[in-house]
Amino acid sequence: QVQLKESGPGLVQPSQTLSLTCTVSGFSLTSNSVHWVRQPPGKGLEWVGAIWSGGSTDYNSALKSRLSISRDTSKSQVFLKMNSLQTEDTAIYFCTHWELGFDYWGQGVMVTVSS
Amino acid sequence: DIQMTQSPPVLSASVGDRVTLSCKASQNINKNLDWYQQKHGEAPKLLIYYTNNLQTGIPSRFSGSGSGTDYTLTISSLQPEDVATYYCYQYNSGWTFGGGTKLELK
Repeated sequence: QVQLKESGPGLVQPSQTLSLTCTVSGFSLTSNSVHWVRQPPGKGLEWVGAIWSGGSTDYNSALKSRLSISRDTSKSQVFLKMNSLQTEDTAIYFCTHWELGFDYWGQGVMVTVSS
Repeated sequence: DIQMTQSPPVLSASVGDRVTLSCKASQNINKNLDWYQQKHGEAPKLLIYYTNNLQTGIPSRFSGSGSGTDYTLTISSLQPEDVATYYCYQYNSGWTFGGGTKLELK
């Protein structure tokens, strides 16, 4: 069955770089896209970016200058890197599988930006 | 960028009520819209894809409709387990979530 699991540091200092990993199973990264969605505490969902089955990427225009998404298909892992973190980047970060909608989600990882 | 506006932000209803949630796009999104349900502390769950297609395993009391810029999620008979926040999401041009509607029991 399809599963996704996010991992990464829970605490990042302001101005530093966030690195998250999404480890997937039950499908191939060369067949389906994986997206990142974040949710600040008590707020709504925000689409962050995606890596498509062919390896191309798309990013939220507001985050594009700070964001990079990549993958290692041999390890079934997708990576998110965001630099110059600010307190406004504090959020739960989810990775999610897209087919007919976001049909499978990871549990999410809470990232706090604080000194 | 396309903006998605959901209304109302908060909705109180009673068990058994027919409930309608609205989502309006800033431009035509050609039915490229999904609905998600998020319960407290959980990841979102796909309810409806491409405006009116019920995701596998979702109760038939949920339905979606709409076209152009205006879309609706309807719950035909509200159940206690439907208490959650509901988000619409467009993927016609870019990818944008609405701000959500929090559904509460009266």
